[in-house]
Amino acid sequence: DAGITQSPRHKVTETGTPVTLRCHQTENHRYMYWYRQDPGHGLRLIHYSYGVKDTDKGEVSDGYSVSRSKTEDFLLTLESATSSQTSVYFCAISDGLDTDTQYFGPGTRLTVL
Amino acid sequence: GEDVEQSLFLSVREGDSSVINCTYTDSSSTYLYWYKQEPGAGLQLLTYIFSNMDMKQDQRLTVLLNKKDKHLSLRIADTQTGDSAIYFCAEKGADSSYKLIFGSGTRLLVRP
Repeated sequence: DAGITQSPRHKVTETGTPVTLRCHQTENHRYMYWYRQDPGHGLRLIHYSYGVKDTDKGEVSDGYSVSRSKTEDFLLTLESATSSQTSVYFCAISDGLDTDTQYFGPGTRLTVL
Repeated sequence: GEDVEQSLFLSVREGDSSVINCTYTDSSSTYLYWYKQEPGAGLQLLTYIFSNMDMKQDQRLTVLLNKKDKHLSLRIADTQTGDSAIYFCAEKGADSSYKLIFGSGTRLLVRP
């Protein structure tokens, strides 16, 4: 299994509070991604990073920001959580070479009350 | 934009073959992937196929690609109860900037 951890694994928070999710990798891969998974929608890309301090938006980026100050860490921040952001969040990594296969972390289940 | 579609549910008897289908719209797809997700877990890569291939076999798994019809299938031979999971098809286009487009997943239930 690729060395990807996510923290926390579960979180319950209230509407309007800030939340930060962390993804940590030990594979030294260049690319990192944040997805959210909702019933009937599969996985949808929120943001991705193609290097330290280099990030770009995905298809559902509104209400989210990211930061990557080190190769191994990619943070996802919900500045003011809303109930519509209740979801399971997955981090993924890839090396950008050949098949550029993405490997996924175990996920964070976030509930916004 | 690009789209990937899968049927939602498939039920098979243990020992039978399972076939999970996927269609996509991006004619510039380079790689297509199959991932498996067990309850409460992340996505595990099962296999992938390059767009210029017709078929790929890996033990009990066979992937068939019909590029003309933009149709991808995953066949699992001798399906076991441990194969019960959600299976996601995903595609990467030539100009997708490393982004994957996922289908909504097919839930496979294997009956004893």
